Amino acid sequence: QVQLQQWGAGLLKPSETLSLTCAVNGGSFNNYYWIWVRQPPGKGLEWIGEINHSGRTNYNPSLKSRVTISAGTSRNQFSLNLISVTAADTAVYYCASSTGDSEFWGQGTLVTVSS
Amino acid sequence: SSELTQDPAVSVALGQTVRITCQGDSLRSYHTSWYQQRPGQAPLLVIYANNNRPSGIPDRFSGSTSANTASLTITGAQAEDEADYYCNSQDISGNFRIFGTGTKVTVL
Repeated sequence: QVQLQQWGAGLLKPSETLSLTCAVNGGSFNNYYWIWVRQPPGKGLEWIGEINHSGRTNYNPSLKSRVTISAGTSRNQFSLNLISVTAADTAVYYCASSTGDSEFWGQGTLVTVSS
Repeated sequence: SSELTQDPAVSVALGQTVRITCQGDSLRSYHTSWYQQRPGQAPLLVIYANNNRPSGIPDRFSGSTSANTASLTITGAQAEDEADYYCNSQDISGNFRIFGTGTKVTVL
């Protein structure tokens, strides 16, 4: 059974960089692609981007200029960096792993951007 | 367009059938997945590739697609099916994924 544990700073000031990491236990990096999704309070889901086992990334065009998804050197972690945050980036951020026919999700991290 | 549109809310009597729809031009070309999200929880994949259920998802959940519309049907809705449901597919360029606007399902 694959389990995802995510962590990162929960309170940021405008213009700072959001950094979250997701650790994968029990899965093979080679068979999955790894996803970040966010959900502003009381609103719907927004797909941020993904990275696959070969390091290929795809990003939401609305965030592409500010976002980087990368795989950790230990190959059981992947990360999300979002630069120059504003209040509009306040959301619960989720990491997930997918093979297409099965998915596992992290517990979510609330990130609040406030001065 | 790159939007996936869902009805904001639907209700269903306990044990009855409800269908949730998702409309978007990209659905003519790409597969649709469906997610269930209960309050305070992470999304749960209930349908992938239009009409396939992941392991562990009850068979009362089914999916279908026609032209630019994808549908999720719950046959014999249970109290625990009360949740928000989101469709998910590629945008029309095929370069990234998008979620639908979401449908809140209330089981009466």
